[in-house]
Amino acid sequence: EAGVAQSPRYKIIEKRQSVAFWCNPISGHATLYWYQQILGQGPKLLIQFQNNGVVDDSQLPKDRFSAERLKGVDSTLKIQPAKLEDSAVYLCASSQRLAFQETQYFGPGTRLLVL
Amino acid sequence: GQQVMQIPQYQHVQEGEDFTTYCNSSTTLSNIQWYKQRPGGHPVFLIQLVKSGEVKKQKRLTFQFGEAKKNSSLHITATQTTDVGTYFCAGSNSSGSARQLTFGSGTQLTVLP
Repeated sequence: EAGVAQSPRYKIIEKRQSVAFWCNPISGHATLYWYQQILGQGPKLLIQFQNNGVVDDSQLPKDRFSAERLKGVDSTLKIQPAKLEDSAVYLCASSQRLAFQETQYFGPGTRLLVL
Repeated sequence: GQQVMQIPQYQHVQEGEDFTTYCNSSTTLSNIQWYKQRPGGHPVFLIQLVKSGEVKKQKRLTFQFGEAKKNSSLHITATQTTDVGTYFCAGSNSSGSARQLTFGSGTQLTVLP
């Protein structure tokens, strides 16, 4: 079974520039998550999709971050304009509810450095 | 909002010693999950606990969920160098339709050979 795919793996940009990340979840997984993981911290949920609808985006800085999941499969996360504090690993995860368990499978992440 | 605290932040042990990390939530959880993240890697699911007082074992790893469903622990017996990584707990209160996980800050384990 193929895992969660993310690209690019690394990105270096200057502040005020724009950047976009792409995620392809595990086939058949209805739920997709974007997390931000700052060095030394746990992943922080930015947005959660159920199919192509947003379930929770309460922690997404909407003035600069946006995300979409067209057709309920792939997803993109955009930052425009980037700030220095956006330097982090952006993790995409997907899940499928089976019985009483919903395991999240994480992709390799995109490491963003904002200079 | 829900907060999940984890201690210690760092732990260095000699190979063969035991290791424990503790997780505490500000609210009652419906379930708690544990993940392991190797250096440079991504979180990998280890286990989920659902019932009050539940104890689960995976070889040398023992996971516990507190009676009040607000705390949890992970204990590793006789650590090996392959245990190196950061261990995260993640709690869910399944409020509404959002099955949101709140991650703790993690415990970074170093095993000295």
